[in-house]
Amino acid sequence: EVQLLESGGGLVQPGGSLRLSCAASGFTFSSYAMSWVRQAPGKGLEWVSAISGSGGSTYYADSVKGRFTISRDNSKNTLYLQMNSLRAEDTAVYYCAKGSIGGLDSRALRNYYYYMDVWGKGTTVTVSS
Amino acid sequence: DIQMTQSPSSLSASVGDRVTITCRASQSISNYLNWYQQKPGKAPKLLIYAASSLQSGVPSRFSGSGSGTDFTLTISSLQPEDFATYYCQQSYNTPITFGQGTRLEIK
Repeated sequence: EVQLLESGGGLVQPGGSLRLSCAASGFTFSSYAMSWVRQAPGKGLEWVSAISGSGGSTYYADSVKGRFTISRDNSKNTLYLQMNSLRAEDTAVYYCAKGSIGGLDSRALRNYYYYMDVWGKGTTVTVSS
Repeated sequence: DIQMTQSPSSLSASVGDRVTITCRASQSISNYLNWYQQKPGKAPKLLIYAASSLQSGVPSRFSGSGSGTDFTLTISSLQPEDFATYYCQQSYNTPITFGQGTRLEIK
């Protein structure tokens, strides 16, 4: 069974840091791009970041660029999100999601369909003093 | 960035009704459009990809259509378990963007 399990959420003060993890199982992890998607309380879904299957390409929303870093360890089947300089507006449930293809470069997106077909249950990040 | 706009933002309907939700992109995205369902306290679930392809295991009462800038998600006969929030999402380019969501409520 394909599964994703996030961890690492918690309460952090503004300006602080947190690292989220997402443990994957049931599929060939290195073959698929992975994304982080967040949902602020009572709000909609916001894509945060993605990384190619190899880890060689990363993508970020403008709202987190320069503060968050996505990475993966394919030997451990684990996805990470390092979050620095956290703000109150980063408070949200953070989901990791498996992509349908290995990359998100222009050629990949034009030749294949990218969608998020497996989601974890999420981990909650609260930024507050 | 490509903006995705859903309408309506909320909708009341009854079991057995036929329901249509619309999603409009700020520029042409061909058919690079996906639909997700989310129930309270749960993770989103993929329903439709590539505008009209039904994800495995999703009931056939769900269907999607459209191309270019205008897309629709249709539920042919609402079931009690379909009351949820629905999101469209474009994968034409990065940053990936979602619509604001459509909350489907019981009338």
